[in-house]
Amino acid sequence: EPEVTQTPSHQVTQMGQEVILRCVPISNHLYFYWYRQILGQKVEFLVSFYNNEISEKSEIFDDQFSVERPDGSNFTLKIRSTKLEDSAMYFCASSQQGLSSYEQYFGPGTRLTVT
Amino acid sequence: DQQVKQNSPSLSVQEGRISILNCDYTNSMFDYFLWYKKYPAEGPTFLISISSIKDKNEDGRFTVFLNKSAKHLSLHIVPSQPGDSAVYFCAAKGASSNTGKLIFGQGTTLQVKP
Repeated sequence: EPEVTQTPSHQVTQMGQEVILRCVPISNHLYFYWYRQILGQKVEFLVSFYNNEISEKSEIFDDQFSVERPDGSNFTLKIRSTKLEDSAMYFCASSQQGLSSYEQYFGPGTRLTVT
Repeated sequence: DQQVKQNSPSLSVQEGRISILNCDYTNSMFDYFLWYKKYPAEGPTFLISISSIKDKNEDGRFTVFLNKSAKHLSLHIVPSQPGDSAVYFCAAKGASSNTGKLIFGQGTTLQVKP
């Protein structure tokens, strides 16, 4: 069964450093997402991406964040200058949509620890 | 952001019995609802969904009920199995979101005892 994959599973970085989180969505999906879950809190939407551009973003997704689909298979989230409060689980998801359904399929997540 | 709420943080059920997980929402513009299951150190796994034009959807042991007037949905698992022990999230999509942005509840931890 096709699945979303994410690398790395755990990333430790120092405050102020740049990090890139990587995802490979399900191959025939058209919509891609990043969510995060801070420990003990809800899963929160960050950004959606369709047709090679951001289609929607939350207020969390400020200028420090960017997304890219560099090669038709990978989907990346970059945090330019990490802060302590960026420590969270980051989940990538993908979806087909357009079929009267909106199911999103999530990857296993990357645990980001900012020290 | 309290648009989607799961008021019970945990639920314990005996194997073979019914598990009922509840979710309330405040935004009447939500048009699609989903349930996800999450094991520790894994991502959320899609379980079942329902459009706002329906009041029930069934898939095997899982049934989701939607009561639009009460802004309430529930997930029924019958019969419950120990492998169902996980955190369950309900999520909702707004009608104005063409991209499928999901808003999640806080989750309910289900424990199914053998």
